[in-house]
Amino acid sequence: AQSVTQLDSHVSVSEGTPVLLRCNYSSSYSPSLFWYVQHPNKGLQLLLKYTSAATLVKGINGFEAEFKKSETSFHLTKPSAHMSDAAEYFCVVRRGSQGNLIFGKGTKLSVKP
Amino acid sequence: DGGITQSPKYLFRKEGQNVTLSCEQNLNHDAMYWYRQDPGQGLRLIYYSQIVNDFQKGDIAEGYSVSREKKESFPLTVTSAQKNPTAFYLCASSPTQGMGTEAFFGQGTRLTVV
Repeated sequence: AQSVTQLDSHVSVSEGTPVLLRCNYSSSYSPSLFWYVQHPNKGLQLLLKYTSAATLVKGINGFEAEFKKSETSFHLTKPSAHMSDAAEYFCVVRRGSQGNLIFGKGTKLSVKP
Repeated sequence: DGGITQSPKYLFRKEGQNVTLSCEQNLNHDAMYWYRQDPGQGLRLIYYSQIVNDFQKGDIAEGYSVSREKKESFPLTVTSAQKNPTAFYLCASSPTQGMGTEAFFGQGTRLTVV
């Protein structure tokens, strides 16, 4: 069975400092992994995705994530937080091209001025 | 512009009423999904459809129904059997071929029971 665990429900950083949002997954097959961002009362927007090519994936708005098979992790990072990054972030796993998406419970990112 | 349109944005339901949430996509995607979002619980799958005239129950299908008569449309009905329908509902679509195909989401409908 597949599952996704986001290790922090809430992360708070100061503007200009690095961001780290942690995600571990379990999957019996080679998974596809995604990070989505959701601003309040909005839909989800794709930040980046891993599809078994390069293990370091670059996304929009300066975010990137590294796929580490040995650690079954797919942590999201950004070198310098901006106030507009405050939102909820979801780590998602998908098995193959037709498997359903499995969502983590989300990490709420707060950015202090 | 291609995308997914959910309507209405806000919906109020009286006890015992059925309500239908609309979801339309013009991305030519085969698969469509309905999710329910509650605070702290992430997104939970209600129903999904991989092809027209076929759909499957997700993890929390009780009290909901769907139809898929057209590729572009996947309406969700919240029936009176759903005991706690107040939530944020998100519709998504995706292609069914190719590795790493992401889902595209609508802007959501917030349903409140009054």
